[in-house]
Amino acid sequence: GQNIDQPTEMTATEGAIVQINCTYQTSGFNGLFWYQQHAGEAPTFLSYNVLDGLEEKGRFSSFLSRSKGYSYLLLKELQMKDSASYLCAVDTDKLIFGTGTRLQVFP
Amino acid sequence: DAGVIQSPRHEVTEMGQEVTLRCKPISGHDYLFWYRQTMMRGLELLIYFNNNVPIDDSGMPEDRFSAKMPNASFSTLKIQPSEPRDSAVYFCASSLYRASDDQPQHFGDGTRLSIL
Repeated sequence: GQNIDQPTEMTATEGAIVQINCTYQTSGFNGLFWYQQHAGEAPTFLSYNVLDGLEEKGRFSSFLSRSKGYSYLLLKELQMKDSASYLCAVDTDKLIFGTGTRLQVFP
Repeated sequence: DAGVIQSPRHEVTEMGQEVTLRCKPISGHDYLFWYRQTMMRGLELLIYFNNNVPIDDSGMPEDRFSAKMPNASFSTLKIQPSEPRDSAVYFCASSLYRASDDQPQHFGDGTRLSIL
């Protein structure tokens, strides 16, 4: 079967750092995506990891360990606008999405 | 670039009625995806097309659901007859390749469907 786990909710303070974890057990793996989705809006692409290691894009970084079936999204210098859901998705010849982590950033 | 365009944005109808959702992908994109999003199950792939041909429809819930892509610039998702459990947000997405970081899937704004 296909299983992707993320925490349901997280809270953090403006200016802080937060790490959102994703563990997966899937039949097949080509890569892992992270998407951001603000309430009532469409998901938007953040990052894509194929190889093990850390990919950095400005305030956002994503890490992958294929052997452990594990990824995380790291958000630095949190801003209020980062309050959103963050979706982990595994590419197994089609995208399998986790149910998402709702992040609330407080002042 | 206009992005992926979906219509209608909202639809409220009574159970048993036929519902048709529409999608115009980004011009030049070869892949088109239909997703359904609910609180309980998250974002689920229903079906995807490559060059207008359905490739994987294993996510389509049952025979009440059907999808077509008559040409490269238009796709429909139809539910007949509709049931209350079909209430969800339906997203259409398109991409140049099936999956890559420099050409990821672009999502439309979605159709919020409520079946009474």
